[in-house]
Amino acid sequence: EVQLVESGGGLVQPGGSLRLSCAASGFTFSDYYMDWVRQAPGKGLEWVGRTRNKANSYTTEYAASVKGRFTISRDDSKNSLYLQMNSLNTDDTAVYYCARSKFGSGTYYFDYWGQGTLVTVSS
Amino acid sequence: AIQMTQSPSSLSASVGDRVTITCRASQGIGNDLGWYQQKPGKAPKVLIYATSNLQSGVPSRFSGSGSDTDFTLTISSLQPEDFATYYCLQDLSYPITFGPGTRLEI
Repeated sequence: EVQLVESGGGLVQPGGSLRLSCAASGFTFSDYYMDWVRQAPGKGLEWVGRTRNKANSYTTEYAASVKGRFTISRDDSKNSLYLQMNSLNTDDTAVYYCARSKFGSGTYYFDYWGQGTLVTVSS
Repeated sequence: AIQMTQSPSSLSASVGDRVTITCRASQGIGNDLGWYQQKPGKAPKVLIYATSNLQSGVPSRFSGSGSDTDFTLTISSLQPEDFATYYCLQDLSYPITFGPGTRLEI
């Protein structure tokens, strides 16, 4: 059974940093692209960024709103995905989900999601 | 960035109704369009990928169609468990973008 479990959320002051983790199990983690998606309270879904797999050199993509502040990384030996968040501001308050990207019929889609971890940026 | 819009933003319907939700992309995205369902307090769930492909385990009352800039999600006969918020998403180019969502209410 595929499982994604996020951790590391919490309360952080504006300007602070936080590192989220996503522990994956039930599939060959190294084969997949992995993404982070967030949802501010009462708002819609916002894609945060993606890391490709080893075959694609672990390259990354980011939303403009987080580029230069957030860094996505992965450790295939630990089946883990990470989101390092720096220079946090109140607009970063959200539930953060990790999601597995599957390739099918010529496109990628998020076929499994974690339960989410809440990040609150407040003084 | 490709902008995604959805209509309506909210919709009231009854069990048994046929419902259609529309998603429009600001530029052509081929068939790189997916639909996701989210219930309160839960993670989203994929329903449709690549415009019209039904994800495994999703009931056949859900269907998707469209191409280029205009896409639709149809629920042929609403069931009580279908009341949720629905999002479209384009994965043709970065940044990946979601539509603003359509809230389907009883």
